[in-house]
Amino acid sequence: DTGVSQDPRHKITKRGQNVTFRCDPISEHNRLYWYRQTLGQGPEFLTYFQNEAQLEKSRLLSDRFSAERPKGSFSTLEIQRTEQGDSAMYLCASSPLGPEQYFGPGTRLTVT
Amino acid sequence: KQEVTQIPAALSVPEGENLVLNCSFTDSAIYNLQWFRQDPGKGLTSLLLIQSSQREQTSGRLNASLDKSSGRSTLYIAASQPGDSATYLCALGGNYGQNFVFGPGTRLSVLP
Repeated sequence: DTGVSQDPRHKITKRGQNVTFRCDPISEHNRLYWYRQTLGQGPEFLTYFQNEAQLEKSRLLSDRFSAERPKGSFSTLEIQRTEQGDSAMYLCASSPLGPEQYFGPGTRLTVT
Repeated sequence: KQEVTQIPAALSVPEGENLVLNCSFTDSAIYNLQWFRQDPGKGLTSLLLIQSSQREQTSGRLNASLDKSSGRSTLYIAASQPGDSATYLCALGGNYGQNFVFGPGTRLSVLP
């Protein structure tokens, strides 16, 4: 399968713990995006990379959130000191230089 | 700030019906509009992408139109099937960054 992959698919954690998610984009896609989706809503933009450079960050991305894309390949999204409000589906997408975005299956986070 | 609405929020139709899903947006300065399908608990699957210079795109039983001046897009599904049951989301790319702004989605149920 050559689509966008995300790991893990599900994560249950206790409030206050740190979690890290991984996204592997489609090979040779320069652009990588992270979105967050809560129940009944459309995805909301978090951050965007072009190659290894993080070019945009949403105001939704508080200081507890950090994202990296070392070497312009896979990306990680870390949430420190998780809160119950962080419970959501975290979606990763990649795109070539064109506008179309290709989404992964998402990581569902539940904070108890 | 771009605001996106989708009407109706939910729709239930018998198999075989033709149907129209609506997407409205407030800022007509968009670069493109993409329609996605999302199955419960899953990621997003791209259906159609319309560039700002285009008025419509077609793929199989799906036809999407774009009217920037009125701030509207429609997704037409012909001869609906139970397998079309999913949430349909529209997303706009514009001059507010590389990310998409999503609508809340329309949840479609096609009854056999």
